[in-house]
Amino acid sequence: GAGVSQSPSNKVTEKGKDVELRCDPISGHTALYWYRQSLGQGLEFLIYFQGNSAPDKSGLPSDRFSAERTGGSVSTLTIQRTQQEDSAVYLCASSLILPRPNEQFFGPGTRLTVL
Amino acid sequence: AQSVTQPDIHITVSEGASLELRCNYSYGATPYLFWYVQSPGQGLQLLLKYFSGDTLVQGIKGFEAEFKRSQSSFNLRKPSVHWSDAAEYFCAVGLNYGGSQGNLIFGKGTKLSVKP
Repeated sequence: GAGVSQSPSNKVTEKGKDVELRCDPISGHTALYWYRQSLGQGLEFLIYFQGNSAPDKSGLPSDRFSAERTGGSVSTLTIQRTQQEDSAVYLCASSLILPRPNEQFFGPGTRLTVL
Repeated sequence: AQSVTQPDIHITVSEGASLELRCNYSYGATPYLFWYVQSPGQGLQLLLKYFSGDTLVQGIKGFEAEFKRSQSSFNLRKPSVHWSDAAEYFCAVGLNYGGSQGNLIFGKGTKLSVKP
């Protein structure tokens, strides 16, 4: 079956521009997560969606970062006024909602390069 | 605070040799533990998970891991490594928000190289 998909796979942008990263989760997965993977920092949690609401936004590094999810499915991560330190691979994951931590299925990621 | 430590940044083993990747966690509640593998340019794939019960868990690709509560460890093992196992391995703990699931906390990863 279809896994988690992300687009674009690569994005090169200039400092100061806005970017949008898209995630299509596995059908039926109510939980959706965004992580950032950068050299030396490992995988950092950004935001968690349960349905269309985000009970945990604690990982968003600044107010330049925002995310939304519509229809309980597709999610968009937006970075405004990009900075060079935003360069990283942005990973999306989805999972079923269970009353305990559960396996998360990851997409291939979007590699963002800010020049 | 919750954390996961993978002490080895990079390990090189010979093909056919045994492998053990170390993982230590710090978490106040019942830990839900995971090992993921990431091949170059790929997303993360789940190797195995521990929720409760038997402390030795089996995963895909011949991997296993043993949960040791007294040592706060969840080490990954494989008896005989194949060249295709070269990848980066991540240990993670799943956060449990009062009975509702949360995000994963990852270690910084161990890169495995395999010598022919």
